[in-house]
Amino acid sequence: QLAESGGGLVKPGGSLRLSCGASGFTFSNYPMNWVRQTPEKGLEWVSFIDSGSKYIYYADSVRGRFTVSRDNAKNSVYLQMNNLRAEDTAVYHCVREEVGSFDFWGQGTLVSVSS
Amino acid sequence: EVVMTQSPVTLSVSPGETATLSCRASHRIFSNLAWYQHKPGQAPRLLIYAASIRATGIPGRIYGGGSETEFTLTITNVQSEDVAIYYCHQYTEWPRTFGQGTRLDIK
Repeated sequence: QLAESGGGLVKPGGSLRLSCGASGFTFSNYPMNWVRQTPEKGLEWVSFIDSGSKYIYYADSVRGRFTVSRDNAKNSVYLQMNNLRAEDTAVYHCVREEVGSFDFWGQGTLVSVSS
Repeated sequence: EVVMTQSPVTLSVSPGETATLSCRASHRIFSNLAWYQHKPGQAPRLLIYAASIRATGIPGRIYGGGSETEFTLTITNVQSEDVAIYYCHQYTEWPRTFGQGTRLDIK
């Protein structure tokens, strides 16, 4: 199971930290991703972190503003989001990766950026 | 960036018929392609990976094909439970990219 938390309403320029807790599998064995979803754009990949936090990648739209991290001892992955913009409004899903494909998704947490 | 283009945008089929969804990649992605089903209020679900391998629990009436730049998702004997948006996703290059989705409706 993957359970996201930390979403909410924030003003433009504000910050939020999303958390995702994992259970039911050996978390430390898997790379993790964040993917966001809007009705207008569909699914958009946001960030990747490998199992040991050695390799990290971001979408161009969030690079420099978002930071992904994980704590394998706590079976958790995080997304620190700074300088939020209206276009960051979306449901954010925590996603497990298996050999490239996204094989298990959390239900998501809603982030709304509005003044 | 690999641009993924899905067609059609909306597909309407009668129960029991076959739905064929297409996905085109702007660059060669070999077989590094997955398909997902997304129903309202639910998390997306992996259907197909490596272009043609069904994920665990996916019925045999759903299958994928193609390679390089042209891919298809076929759903035979379409049922009401198949109403959803379907996305393709490439995992050859960074950034990972999705198609814009195909909405499958039942007539």
